[in-house]
Amino acid sequence: QVQLVESGGDLVKPGGSLRLSCAASGFSFSDYYMNWIRQVPGKGLEWLSYTGSSNTYTAYADSVKGRFTISRDNAKNSLYLQMNSLRAEDTATYYCARGGSRVYTAMVTDYWGQGTLVTVSS
Amino acid sequence: IQMTQSPSSLSASVGDRVTITCRTSQNINNYLHWYQQRPGKAPNLLIYDASTLQSGVPSRFSGSGSGTDFTLTISSLQPEDFATYYCQQSFRTPGTFGQGTKVEIK
Repeated sequence: QVQLVESGGDLVKPGGSLRLSCAASGFSFSDYYMNWIRQVPGKGLEWLSYTGSSNTYTAYADSVKGRFTISRDNAKNSLYLQMNSLRAEDTATYYCARGGSRVYTAMVTDYWGQGTLVTVSS
Repeated sequence: IQMTQSPSSLSASVGDRVTITCRTSQNINNYLHWYQQRPGKAPNLLIYDASTLQSGVPSRFSGSGSGTDFTLTISSLQPEDFATYYCQQSFRTPGTFGQGTKVEIK
């Protein structure tokens, strides 16, 4: 069965960096777009980024463009989110989610991980 | 693309028919999807491409609409349906979500 497991969430100071990981299993990882989506506690969902099969097709929300970098290692069935210059407003649960296999289905996310909490505070 | 989801919350009883609407600021054809999120859980895809039921989702859920106006309908609310529902557009990045509709027990 499809499984996505995020890790790497932590308490970090403003201006700091963090790298989130998402371990995927149960499907052909390289065939699918992968997304990061976050949710501030008690609030709604915010799509952040996706990457295509070979890291060549990526997209970002304006709120994280230039600070966050998405990447994947298909040999390790893993997705990553490098987060730099973190701000208090980046405090949220971060989910990795599987998209479709075509660019027009990239953001149609049918499987999600359980999320990992990032807290940005001094 | 701005998403306007309504209502933001509603109270309903088991067996009720529930309708949630999502309006987008521009034409997105049918690139509109619906998710259910139960407390403490990750969202779950219910409907994609406006009206296609995701595998494993009960048939009491249905979606309709195209262009800028979309609807999620639950034909007969069940106890496990009390949750928050989100619409999302994938016509262009960023894949914006609606603000959510919390369905509560009356």
